[in-house]
Amino acid sequence: NAGVTQTPKFRILKIGQSMTLQCTQDMNHNYMYWYRQDPGMGLKLIYYSVGAGITDKGEVPNGYNVSRSTTEDFPLRLELAAPSQTSVYFCASSYQDRVDGYTFGSGTRLTVV
Amino acid sequence: LAKTTQPISMDSYEGQEVNITCSHNNIATNDYITWYQQFPSQGPRFIIQGYKTKVTNEVASLFIPADRKSSTLSLPRVSLSDTAVYYCLVGPERYNFNKFYFGSGTKLNVKP
Repeated sequence: NAGVTQTPKFRILKIGQSMTLQCTQDMNHNYMYWYRQDPGMGLKLIYYSVGAGITDKGEVPNGYNVSRSTTEDFPLRLELAAPSQTSVYFCASSYQDRVDGYTFGSGTRLTVV
Repeated sequence: LAKTTQPISMDSYEGQEVNITCSHNNIATNDYITWYQQFPSQGPRFIIQGYKTKVTNEVASLFIPADRKSSTLSLPRVSLSDTAVYYCLVGPERYNFNKFYFGSGTKLNVKP
């Protein structure tokens, strides 16, 4: 059971470039989320999805886009990367909307130079 | 969502019991207290949740006084592998996505 898989693990982008962070879960969870974690800080919610075809903004959505075409996949798109987007990105999923039910991926460390 | 206050960091030695206290003065009647653990270079993982009194599992114990304005996560006989950041979250069992708030957590450093 792989859980939540994120790729890539590391990436360096130049300012203005774009990229997609991949997230896949094999637990048949309805709910999926994207968080970012800046150094020494807690996690901030970027986007979330309650099921295929349904997404909504979190606390810090600017500069990002998401899609949810299948239950398993929830990619995060960065358009026109900026240094302020340097962070560690975590994808998570849960079966129900219970705060004790999150499963997180291992993260993608992104540096924008 | 109730705001929480935790110590920024704590040091301990292997074999000791560690208690991390979280203050949540504005906890609501339907709020639960949930703790997550984050190892370096990994995503957080759920460790324990409680509503009142005491909860114990194979990883930790959670003590909640009657007024529920604080809670204490207790880790028995810590080892080096317990070095991690511990987050206290307070909110409804079924939360509002935009209000699921991870603070800065408590960085526990276990020394040999």
